[in-house]
Amino acid sequence: NAGVTQTPKFQVLKTGQSMTLQCAQDMNHNSMYWYRQDPGMGLRLIYYSASEGTTDKGEVPNGYNVSRLNKREFSLRLESAAPSQTSVYFCASSATGTVLFAFGSGTRLTVV
Amino acid sequence: GENVEQHPSTLSVQEGDSAVIKCTYSDSASNYFPWYKQELGKGPQLIIDIRSNVGEKKDQRIAVTLNKTAKHFSLHITETQPEDSAVYFCAASNNNDMRFGAGTRLTVKP
Repeated sequence: NAGVTQTPKFQVLKTGQSMTLQCAQDMNHNSMYWYRQDPGMGLRLIYYSASEGTTDKGEVPNGYNVSRLNKREFSLRLESAAPSQTSVYFCASSATGTVLFAFGSGTRLTVV
Repeated sequence: GENVEQHPSTLSVQEGDSAVIKCTYSDSASNYFPWYKQELGKGPQLIIDIRSNVGEKKDQRIAVTLNKTAKHFSLHITETQPEDSAVYFCAASNNNDMRFGAGTRLTVKP
């Protein structure tokens, strides 16, 4: 089992460009999450999907959109990247009724 | 919503010494408190967790304590080794709402 797989691992964008971060899990988890990690601020929830077909905003959703494509895949889209979105992004998943998260290895995004 | 504070932000210990990291939380409804270890270039990995109906849990050199009245919980690592060097995050959760502390960078000097 690969667990939670994120692509790409690194990305540099120019201000205003768009991109989609991909996440897939093979653990048959119902819930999936996108976090951003900034120095001194820990992990902050951007969006989550409690089950296939549903998505909800987290703490810091502005500037992002998500798609729960199917049970395995949950993508995060930046429509018009801004330097404030420079961060490390983590995808996570968990089984229904638990908060036992499995994290991906992260995507380091730099917006210049 | 929940607010989790974590201290210290950096911690340096000599190999073999103990390390303690403390967290406080604000939401009395939080009932699950995991600790994650993040090594360089990797995602956080769960190392130990505790639920609100338990006061202490141990797993080899790692232990976690929870004081629900005071709303704080701590991670204790004994007999530290260089491979314990990493960033550690605490978190507090009420069902699907998980909030993380800002992290502690632990350095274990050989």
